[in-house]
Amino acid sequence: QQQVKQSPQSLIVQKGGISIINCAYENTAFDYFPWYQQFPGKGPALLIAIRPDVSEKKEGRFTISFNKSAKQFSLHIMDSQPGDSATYFCAAGDYKLSFGAGTTVTVRA
Amino acid sequence: DVKVTQSSRYLVKRTGEKVFLECVQDMDHENMFWYRQDPGLGLRLIYFSYDVKMKEKGDIPEGYSVSREKKERFSLILESASTNQTSMYLCASRIRTAKTYEQYFGPGTRLTVT
Repeated sequence: QQQVKQSPQSLIVQKGGISIINCAYENTAFDYFPWYQQFPGKGPALLIAIRPDVSEKKEGRFTISFNKSAKQFSLHIMDSQPGDSATYFCAAGDYKLSFGAGTTVTVRA
Repeated sequence: DVKVTQSSRYLVKRTGEKVFLECVQDMDHENMFWYRQDPGLGLRLIYFSYDVKMKEKGDIPEGYSVSREKKERFSLILESASTNQTSMYLCASRIRTAKTYEQYFGPGTRLTVT
C-alpha cells in the first residue's frame, strides 16, 4: 500500500508557465517532506525539502506548499524552463522515506 | 561532493542466476539504502543499512538479501533471479545527523532478467 500518493502522472507546460504537482500522505508521524528531481539516466537528486512546522518554503523558482491538517503538500515550479523537463518524486518520512509514483514534467519551448 | 557509484549501469542475467549489485559511497555515510524503481510505482525500499553489519528490511525485501561488511560498500543480492525482478535498482546513502535526512543517489543499475 502506497503511503504517499502523487498526481498527476505527467504534465506538459509551456515555457514560462507554472507546473504544479500534488502529494498526499497517510502517516502523521512523518517528519520530512522532500522533492527529488530525476533526469534520464541519472539517479534522483534532492531539489527542495520542508519540515511540518513550516507551511511554505521557496528556493528560486521552486516552492513547496505544505498543509499539515489535510496531509498534503505540493511543488510549484514557476517560470518553467525546458531544462526543468524531468521526473519529480515527492517523498515523506524521516531516516526512511516513502516515495510517490513520480510525475514526468515536459516543458515545451 | 558526495559520490555514490554503482558497479554496473546495465546488467542482463538469466532466470535462476545469483546476482550481485554493488554500491560504493565515498563520504563516510553511516546509512545506505537499496531501492527499486518501476514505472507508476516510484521508488520502493528493499533494504536499509544503518551501519556496518546492520540491516533492516524495507517494504519489498522478498527475494533479496544484502551485505554490508565495510562502511563504504553495500551489496544487494538476488539469490535466484526471476523475471519479476527486472527493474532499475538505485542505491543511496546519507549521513546520520539530526539536521537533514537527505539521501544521495547513485546513477542506478538497469537489470534485465530473461
